Amino acid sequence: NAGVMQNPRHLVRRRGQEARLRCSPMKGHSHVYWYRQLPEEGLKFMVYLQKENIIDESGMPKERFSAEFPKEGPSILRIQQVVRGDSAAYFCASSPSLASTDTQYFGPGTRLTVL
Amino acid sequence: QQQVKQSPQSLIVQKGGISIINCAYENTAFDYFPWYQQFPGKGPALLIAIRPDVSEKKEGRFTISFNKSAKQFSLHIMDSQPGDSATYFCAAFAGGTSYGKLTFGQGTILTVHP
Repeated sequence: NAGVMQNPRHLVRRRGQEARLRCSPMKGHSHVYWYRQLPEEGLKFMVYLQKENIIDESGMPKERFSAEFPKEGPSILRIQQVVRGDSAAYFCASSPSLASTDTQYFGPGTRLTVL
Repeated sequence: QQQVKQSPQSLIVQKGGISIINCAYENTAFDYFPWYQQFPGKGPALLIAIRPDVSEKKEGRFTISFNKSAKQFSLHIMDSQPGDSATYFCAAFAGGTSYGKLTFGQGTILTVHP
């Protein structure tokens, strides 16, 4: 019974490059959330998606960041033209149903380093 | 109003002692309060959670105490063990307009000495 999977686990990019982070939710889960954790800080909500829909993107920067959760395949968090301040751990979480979006299960995270 | 304030930032406890971590919130719309445990290099793992209709919830050595009027809740780890050494995050969730969003505290780094 696999948990939430994220890849890559570590990603190094130079300033100006693009970063693509992938998240496969737990089997049977149709709700995906992305959070960002800066060094020595708590997790900050970025975006909440259901299949093919963005439900809440209030925590996501307006520029350079985008997210999708297609009908088939993993959820993708895309960061264009990365800057050093984007260096952080990005966590994906999933929940099974509309009635239980409070119970979120987290993946191991992708640690992004921008040189 | 969306903040959750957590203290202390770090905590050192001897093996067998009690670890206590406190959180406070402002938003009265919060209706679910989970605690997460995170080991270095890993994702947060759900430890225990409480809803505001109860004042205490206990699971093994872990207890959440909830004070609705004071808008505070705390995690107590009884008989703390070196394996409990990790970062602990409190969080809060509001249904309605904040649907789907967990608001996290800043985290507490717990070290349990053998």
